[in-house]
Amino acid sequence: AQSVTQPDIHITVSEGASLELRCNYSYGATPYLFWYVQSPGQGLQLLLKYFSGDTLVQGIKGFEAEFKRSQSSFNLRKPSVHWSDAAEYFCAVGARSGNTPLVFGKGTRLSVIA
Amino acid sequence: NAGVTQTPKFRVLKTGQSMTLLCAQDMNHEYMYWYRQDPGMGLRLIHYSVGEGTTAKGEVPDGYNVSRLKKQNFLLGLESAAPSQTSVYFCASTYGPSSYEQYFGPGTRLTVT
Repeated sequence: AQSVTQPDIHITVSEGASLELRCNYSYGATPYLFWYVQSPGQGLQLLLKYFSGDTLVQGIKGFEAEFKRSQSSFNLRKPSVHWSDAAEYFCAVGARSGNTPLVFGKGTRLSVIA
Repeated sequence: NAGVTQTPKFRVLKTGQSMTLLCAQDMNHEYMYWYRQDPGMGLRLIHYSVGEGTTAKGEVPDGYNVSRLKKQNFLLGLESAAPSQTSVYFCASTYGPSSYEQYFGPGTRLTVT
């Protein structure tokens, strides 16, 4: 079964600074990988996903993520953070066969300061 | 197109009471999910369904039951609520298995006193 770890519970960055949120997964093959964002009081929204091919994927709101097979990682990045990016971010991993549901990480809360 | 809706948005129950949370989607999705979200625990899957008339247990199914009598609806029941079930509950739906994007509802905040 797949699993996912987000090592950072809470990260604070200054507005305009760059951001990297870490995600490590465990799976016997290359999984499907996702990043979701949850704004306060809202449900989750998909930021981006990786299925195959180019290991650098672009998402909405200026986010990107890079799949690194050798490190079993799928880190989320943004070059310049805006105050509206303050939210909780979840990495998720999905199996490539069967009906096994996605497995979500515990999330990383992002705070943005002026 | 409303997407995924959840009813109610807020509820307070006393220990031992029962209630049903309703999830509805208008996207003709086959798969539907119920999660609970607690501080520091992320999203934990309670039950899910891969099609009308089917249900399966997730990571934390105890104390909950579900039904999927109609494709567009997925009901989550608490037969005898306990304080440990105080949480925010999210419903999600998707076209198929894990390669597809999950669409989430806005959540139901449940407090059990």
